[in-house]
Amino acid sequence: RKEVEQDPGPFNVPEGATVAFNCTYSNSASQSFFWYRQDCRKEPKLLMSVYSSGNEDGRFTAQLNRASQYISLLIRDSKLSDSATYLCVVNKGGSYIPTFGRGTSLIVHP
Amino acid sequence: NAGVTQTPKFRVLKTGQSMTLLCAQDMNHEYMYWYRQDPGMGLRLIHYSVGEGTTAKGEVPDGYNVSRLKKQNFLLGLESAAPSQTSVYFCASSSAGYEKLFFGSGTQLSVL
Repeated sequence: RKEVEQDPGPFNVPEGATVAFNCTYSNSASQSFFWYRQDCRKEPKLLMSVYSSGNEDGRFTAQLNRASQYISLLIRDSKLSDSATYLCVVNKGGSYIPTFGRGTSLIVHP
Repeated sequence: NAGVTQTPKFRVLKTGQSMTLLCAQDMNHEYMYWYRQDPGMGLRLIHYSVGEGTTAKGEVPDGYNVSRLKKQNFLLGLESAAPSQTSVYFCASSSAGYEKLFFGSGTQLSVL
């Protein structure tokens, strides 16, 4: 089992739709969790940190489920500009090495 | 407001040639990382450093060497380039291992 797994998609949704991605991780000692956005092989940019209590930033909501070892990203009211690859990053406890999932591709169409 | 700067942005090498990629950060970060990204593979960690003078191997270290002689700089070397090293390389830094990453803009390397 890979350390961090994501469904590569693509998720193809119309504007205005709500879409959700999950990311599972294998190391129960993982300490910190993030969602990054990447456009066309440019550098990844931080979208959200993921906290145990869940957090929301505008149309984006991130949640952590430690018992089932996954994090999620919910995007409401999708915009064309949300089209990108969403990368899940998990930092292992102890060594604190950031490990990336392969990314989930989102395509928002008119 | 430089953040993380990578040079060069593009490079074409012939098999067997050597080169060094430079990553510089001006945020006084302790942790620095080199990743490579290939289609469908996500970002894979090559080497990382937890402070000046330290380096450690990541997931795919073979064929690469690194050095961190100064806190702000992390160099990635290819001693004898191979076509399998054709990839996009990203450098990143963070203030601590559990904190968010700041990325450079990437280096597109082609080895013919």
